[in-house]
Amino acid sequence: DIQMTQSPSSLSASVGDRVTITCRASQSISSYLNWYQQKPGKAPKLLIYAASSLQSGVPSRFSGSGSGTDFTLTISSLQPEDFATYYCQQSSRIPLTFGGGTKVEIK
Amino acid sequence: EVQLVETGGGLIQPGGSLRLSCAASGFTVSSNYMSWVRQAPGKGLEWVSSIYSGGNTYYADSVKGRFTISRDSSKNTLYLQMNSLRPEDTAVYYCAGDTSGYSVGFQHWGQGTLVTVSS
Repeated sequence: DIQMTQSPSSLSASVGDRVTITCRASQSISSYLNWYQQKPGKAPKLLIYAASSLQSGVPSRFSGSGSGTDFTLTISSLQPEDFATYYCQQSSRIPLTFGGGTKVEIK
Repeated sequence: EVQLVETGGGLIQPGGSLRLSCAASGFTVSSNYMSWVRQAPGKGLEWVSSIYSGGNTYYADSVKGRFTISRDSSKNTLYLQMNSLRPEDTAVYYCAGDTSGYSVGFQHWGQGTLVTVSS
């Protein structure tokens, strides 16, 4: 199975900050990497697919990069509605696997 | 508008069975890649099972032999039959759909249904 390791597991940031979350795969997954945002009590929401493509309707302050084993989600200027937990997920092969999550909290 | 609505969760004793349903609108379940993903209380996301448009099915090792994913084209509904339930199966179960055709993540999610396995 492909293991997905996210870091950090949590972070505190202020509105307007630039935030970066990393995700590392245990083996190459090409660009089959997706990012989700989840707020408490809600279903996950797809933000970025195929490592760097912005899902329709997602604000442009979200961006993704990387390929192979190392990936990054960046929020260029954190907004109040961005405080949530973020997960990476590989869709390269079954079993699909998720990272452990990164909780973004208000500083 | 695409919508997924899960039903069927509840409290069940260990060893029992439940069937979850996920009714879809706005797209055709049988023509797309559908999955179940679960989230134990306070924990992260865990893939459970998937069914491709061609009918191939896949399962996480933790549920293989106990859970069965299926779909009904006439009802445009996805199912998850869960047998021999264990306390560690306690979670919110989400159905999720990838309508891209390219295995690029799940664009559509239901609201989730809570399954609690406890005596």
